[in-house]
Amino acid sequence: AQSVTQLGSHVSVSEGALVLLRCNYSSSVPPYLFWYVQYPNQGLQLLLKYTTGATLVKGINGFEAEFKKSETSFHLTKPSAHMSDAAEYFCAVSDRGSNTGKLIFGQGTTLQVKP
Amino acid sequence: KAGVTQTPRYLIKTRGQQVTLSCSPISGHRSVSWYQQTPGQGLQFLFEYFSETQRNKGNFPGRFSGRQFSNSRSEMNVSTLELGDSALYLCASSEGGADTDTQYFGPGTRLTVL
Repeated sequence: AQSVTQLGSHVSVSEGALVLLRCNYSSSVPPYLFWYVQYPNQGLQLLLKYTTGATLVKGINGFEAEFKKSETSFHLTKPSAHMSDAAEYFCAVSDRGSNTGKLIFGQGTTLQVKP
Repeated sequence: KAGVTQTPRYLIKTRGQQVTLSCSPISGHRSVSWYQQTPGQGLQFLFEYFSETQRNKGNFPGRFSGRQFSNSRSEMNVSTLELGDSALYLCASSEGGADTDTQYFGPGTRLTVL
């Protein structure tokens, strides 16, 4: 069965430092890949997604992610962290051809940004 | 366009009771998916509805059920509540539920079972 692994349940960075949140998927057929962010007491907001085409995907709020098939990875990065980036981040996948509205999520990574 | 709305936002029930949660999707979206979020299990897929039909179901007991109306609004019902059902229930809508579609999430309903 498809699974998603996010390495590190908590990541702490200083304001202005590089943000790197890791995501690996398990399937041999590359799925479609998504990153979502959740702020306290809110739902999830899409940051970016990879479906086809260029493997480097740019999203909102300065985030980007690169799909690497050889590494089965889709890590999320941001060059310079802001205090407002503190939140929980989820990597998710959907299976190609399923078309039944199911996302499989990783366990989430809480990003702490220190002043 | 208005976003996905969920009602109520907070709910407290006791064991054995049943509960109904409501989700109104973004206008024009025909697919509604439901997820359960808990600290221990994370985000888990419950089911998805498209044009009033359940197309996919996650690994949850039959106490969890749902439906979708002709205007795409959806409800989920949990019968005979257990303590372990305490969670944040999120619904998400998308245009057609395709695997490439973006799912837009509501703020969730936080259910506490006492």
